[in-house]
Amino acid sequence: NAGVTQTPKFQVLKTGQSMTLQCAQDMNHEYMSWYRQDPGMGLRLIHYSVGAGITDQGEVPNGYNVSRSTTEDFPLRLLSAAPSQTSVYFCASSYRGQGDAEAFFGQGTRLTVV
Amino acid sequence: GQSLEQPSEVTAVEGAIVQINCTYQTSGFYGLSWYQQHDGGAPTFLSYNALDGLEETGRFSSFLSRSDSYGYLLLQELQMKDSASYFCALGGFKTIFGAGTRLFVKA
Repeated sequence: NAGVTQTPKFQVLKTGQSMTLQCAQDMNHEYMSWYRQDPGMGLRLIHYSVGAGITDQGEVPNGYNVSRSTTEDFPLRLLSAAPSQTSVYFCASSYRGQGDAEAFFGQGTRLTVV
Repeated sequence: GQSLEQPSEVTAVEGAIVQINCTYQTSGFYGLSWYQQHDGGAPTFLSYNALDGLEETGRFSSFLSRSDSYGYLLLQELQMKDSASYFCALGGFKTIFGAGTRLFVKA
């Protein structure tokens, strides 16, 4: 049972480039979310999904797009990378989003934009 | 909106008990969760309070008071491996995390 798998683990982008961070879970969880973590700021919610075909914005959605075509996959797209998007990105999933279930996190993607 | 406040750092001695507090502001939520994160690692779930009161899981306990908008995580019999960051989080479809408390355990 792999849990939540994120790829890549590390990435360096040039300003203006686009890329997709991949996230897949094999636990049949309905709820998936993307967070970014910057030093001293905890985890900030970018986008989340409560099921296939349903996504919504979190606290810091600007510059990012998501889609949820299947239950398993929830990719995060950076449209035009900026140095301010240098961060560690975590994908998480849980059975329900009501907070009454444990959230499982991927190992993170460390992104540097130069 | 929602917001949570935690102390930025706490230092304690191995074998001791430490309490990490979390105060929050929200118009509604399902419960308060706690996560642990070691340097370079991913957050891992520790505890969840849906109702007021104390939840105990081994050396870790968590408390919630909805009337006071307050919760805490209690770590007993501290070990060196407990040195990590601890986050409280308001549960819901938009699960919002606090900035985290860095715990240093000294020998």
